[in-house]
Parts: sequence; C-alpha cells; structure tokens
Amino acid sequence: GESVGLHLPTLSVQEGDNSIINCAYSNSASDYFIWYKQESGKGPQFIIDIRSNMDKRQGQRVTVLLNKTVKHLSLQIAATQPGDSAVYFCAPVDNDYKLSFGAGTTVTVRA
Amino acid sequence: GAGVSQSPSNKVTEKGKDVELRCDPISGHTALYWYRQSLGQGLEFLIYFQGNSAPDKSGLPSDRFSAERTGGSVSTLTIQRTQQEDSAVYLCASSLFAGGAITDTQYFGPGTRLTVL
Repeated sequence: GESVGLHLPTLSVQEGDNSIINCAYSNSASDYFIWYKQESGKGPQFIIDIRSNMDKRQGQRVTVLLNKTVKHLSLQIAATQPGDSAVYFCAPVDNDYKLSFGAGTTVTVRA
Repeated sequence: GAGVSQSPSNKVTEKGKDVELRCDPISGHTALYWYRQSLGQGLEFLIYFQGNSAPDKSGLPSDRFSAERTGGSVSTLTIQRTQQEDSAVYLCASSLFAGGAITDTQYFGPGTRLTVL
C-alpha cells in the first residue's frame, strides 16, 4: 500500500550548525525515496534521492541516510544557512509515479 | 531553462462557481501530474498524463474534477461547482521519461492557491 513519510513537525537550528531531519515510512516495499524542500509560496523542489539498495548518498551540503531495517530516513544539512528555512518532505516511492508525502518538517534557521 | 509554470497564482471564488487552473510543463517533458496540497497537510495525487495514453484519473476526488492536456503540453484542471473543501494549493509537476522509471524526477510548479468562500 501507499507509504507516506512521517515527520516531526518543526526543527529550529542555529545558523552554521548541522541539521538532521528525520522521516519514518510504513511500507517495507518502498524502493526509492526522494527529499523535497518547499519554501513559502513555492512548489516542492527536488533535493536528493536514494534507492533502497543504498544506505547513504551525498549531495552538495546534504546527505541522506536510509535504514531499511527500521524504515527510517534522515536528511542531514551541513552548515545550515538562512536559505535552508523551508518545509522538508520525504517521499517514499512504491514502484509508482504517484508521489505522496505528509505534512513535512518545518525548519527554521536562527541567526 | 524555464520551469513549470502555473496560472493563476491565486484564485478566490464563491461556492458553486467553476474554476480553471492552468499548467505549462517544462518543454519536452512528456509526463504531467496534478496534485493537491491542503494547509498543513501532505500531497495528494489527482491525475497523471503521459503522451497519448489515457490519463490516470484515479486520484480525482469527485466527478466535479476533470483535466485535459492539449497537444501533449499545456494542461487545464477544471473544478465544477466548487465547494469550501476544495480550498487548497493545486500543484502541477512534469517529468521527462513519462513514468517509465520510478526514479523519473518530478519538477513542480509554484502552485495555484484556491480559496472557495
């Protein structure tokens, strides 16, 4: 069935610190995962993705970790900047093109 | 290049009126998706177009909702006899490989915020 990423609703982080955003999913058959960032008044923006045969993937200032055993993902943002303030969603993909994600985590960066 | 564009950015309407929302996908993208995002909630799939294939309408919440895609490019989502529960942000996305790979990245437009009074 459809797997929706579940997040803690808010995260406050000091500028320059590292951020860790966590996401739990329910369907063990999910084999592809995407992180999106959504700034106020804008559509979701692709950040990074990871396949289920990997447990870590790195991008520019971001790292995604996948633990299939406990059905958990995390997105780590290094040296968080004010422009990182947004809502972050993880989208587990269940061999289907239909994206589905929950309410996400609102990240607020403190100066 | 240009991203996905949507119009209008905001639409306020009265209950019972019809509305049309427009989406211009990224040039060359063969797949187009409509989603709905309610305040503080997640993303809800509505409809999917790919090339000349019959659209996947499985996410449309009622027969008041319909969508067209003309010439394999621009799409219009129509909501008839709008209700207050239709208030949401309607997002359009497009992708290059028509859903053939689940890793086909969907690029979203800015959305249309619909408010039904």
